[in-house]
Formats: sequence, C-alpha cells, structure tokens
Amino acid sequence: GAVVSQHPSWVICKSGTSVKIECRSLDFQATTMFWYRQFPKQSLMLMATSNEGSKATYEQGVEKDKFLINHASLTLSTLTVTSAHPEDSSFYICSANDGHYGYTFGSGTRLTVV
Amino acid sequence: AQSVAQPEDQVNVAEGNPLTVKCTYSVSGNPYLFWYVQYPNRGLQFLLKYITGDNLVKGSYGFEAEFNKSQTSFHLKKPSALVSDSALYFCAVRGPDNYGQNFVFGPGTRLSVLP
Repeated sequence: GAVVSQHPSWVICKSGTSVKIECRSLDFQATTMFWYRQFPKQSLMLMATSNEGSKATYEQGVEKDKFLINHASLTLSTLTVTSAHPEDSSFYICSANDGHYGYTFGSGTRLTVV
Repeated sequence: AQSVAQPEDQVNVAEGNPLTVKCTYSVSGNPYLFWYVQYPNRGLQFLLKYITGDNLVKGSYGFEAEFNKSQTSFHLKKPSALVSDSALYFCAVRGPDNYGQNFVFGPGTRLSVLP
C-alpha cells in the first residue's frame, strides 16, 4: 500500500523560533496533501490543503502567515510553524491521496513549544 | 455541510466480548464513510471504508461496519474484542470521490478493552 512519511515525529522548540515539518509520499505522487492539527483528546481539524505548484488553501481561522505551507514537488509538502508559541503545541498530521488505495496519513509530529 | 457524530466519548468492553463504536453522519448526496484507529502519538491507520455496494463492510484486524442509510449510521463492530484493540477510533466522512476533497472527522471514541 501507499506510504506517507512524516518527519520529525516529535520536536521541542523555544518560543519565537520556527519549526519545519515534512510530509513525503514515498511510493506515489500527490498533487494534493492535507495538513491536520489535533489537540489532546480532540479530533483532527483540517488546517490547510497543500497544492503542488500553487498556493495552499487555508481553512477559516488558520493564519497563513504563521503556518507556511510549501508543496514544491509531487512527493513533498512542508509545514513551517513560524514564531512558535506554546499555544502552537499540538500534534500535526498530514495526508495524501495516492489515487488507488485512497487517503494515507502520516505518522504525525508532536510539537512542543517551551 | 458534512458532519460526523460519535455519541460516546468512551467505550469499555471486556476482552472476548463483542464491541460496537457508534457513528452517525450528515452529508448531502451519497456519503463516503471511513473508520480510522489511532494509537498514542501515532498517525491514523485505515480500518475500512464504505463507498457503495454491500452495506456490511469488512476491514482490517477483524473489524466490520454496517452502513445504514435510513438511520444515517455507520457503526463499527467486532465480534470478539482484544486488549490490543484499545485505542482512539475516528469515524470520518467525505463527499463524492474528488481528488481535492478532505475528510470531516468525528470527535473520536476511546475504546478500552479490559482483560
């Protein structure tokens, strides 16, 4: 089946710094990837849709200048949390549609901002 | 607008007993319904999906789900629960299979299987 690799699996950073999270489709090409955020004991909320070669589409209430998304190739999308603050601490998950098996999710990234 | 409800935050069941995790949905048109499982600090793992056809869908790890259009439900079931089934379960819905369509997830149900 399709595999989506997400890196890093966890990261701790200081307030004010930026953190980049990578989402790679390992054995298929994905023109569209999705970024979700999950708070403790809560469901996944879609943050944005990442489109290869064009601007990402952000959900209402998500700051596009804070959560920078780059989808520069058919196998890689990155989410950069800029000027991170403790309230940005969360579990971030990406997903992609491989066109055959359906949507595959990454293993997630636990971000802790101290 | 699409929405998914999972009325139970927590389901407890004894090992060996049957389990049910409930899900109801609201979507215009024909729904695409999914169940995912999440273990601590992990991403989501696909269990099963309903697109069309037989209302009873069989998935991974012995799980199955029954699509009931009149009740707009898609309950997850397993005949005999295992302790290793303890995890967080999400029901999700998507619109017609369009490349750009995203999921709407339910709030999740935590399943605890007691030995």
